[in-house]
Amino acid sequence: QKEVEQNSGPLSVPEGAIASLNCTYSDRGSQSFFWYRQYSGKSPELIMFIYSNGDKEDGRFTAQLNKASQYVSLLIRDSQPSDSATYLCAVFPDTGRRALTFGSGTRLQVQP
Amino acid sequence: DGGITQSPKYLFRKEGQNVTLSCEQNLNHDAMYWYRQDPGQGLRLIYYSQIVNDFQKGDIAEGYSVSREKKESFPLTVTSAQKNPTAFYLCASSITKGLETQYFGPGTRLLVL
Repeated sequence: QKEVEQNSGPLSVPEGAIASLNCTYSDRGSQSFFWYRQYSGKSPELIMFIYSNGDKEDGRFTAQLNKASQYVSLLIRDSQPSDSATYLCAVFPDTGRRALTFGSGTRLQVQP
Repeated sequence: DGGITQSPKYLFRKEGQNVTLSCEQNLNHDAMYWYRQDPGQGLRLIYYSQIVNDFQKGDIAEGYSVSREKKESFPLTVTSAQKNPTAFYLCASSITKGLETQYFGPGTRLLVL
């Protein structure tokens, strides 16, 4: 069973701070990595994907990937109360099952 | 207006009853997926399909069945063999070449009476 691990939280940050969300994965051959945001009672929505080592920035969001350490993170700059949600990390394998494996998610709370 | 639709939004199942959840997409995606989410947990894969008339089991396929007769549609049946069906069911779709980003429908919440 390929695993994707996330700290369940809650991670609490003040408004305007940087929120740092982390994810580790066990399948060393994984090629694509995704971050989804899920508000309570709603379906996940894609925030970012990354497949090369290093950083990828999109607005207030930065995804970081380190394949050697099997680690992917999401930074949210200038956190807003509207960012309060559960953030799901997902990994797509190189071979085998052609579907995403999800972590259990980290709940983020941004305090006004 | 492209997207993924799921119906119904809420579904109630009685003991011993089979129920079917609908998932339709007009994104021209080849692949479709069904996930189950329990409170406070991540998504677990039930079934997925890469092409019409073909599908594969995921991690928790027991008690569920699917069909893929059309590219646009991937219905999920929750059978009476599924003893703990109460959950949030999510359908997703993606392309199958290149970066297979999955996009989700709004979900169906299944409750047992």
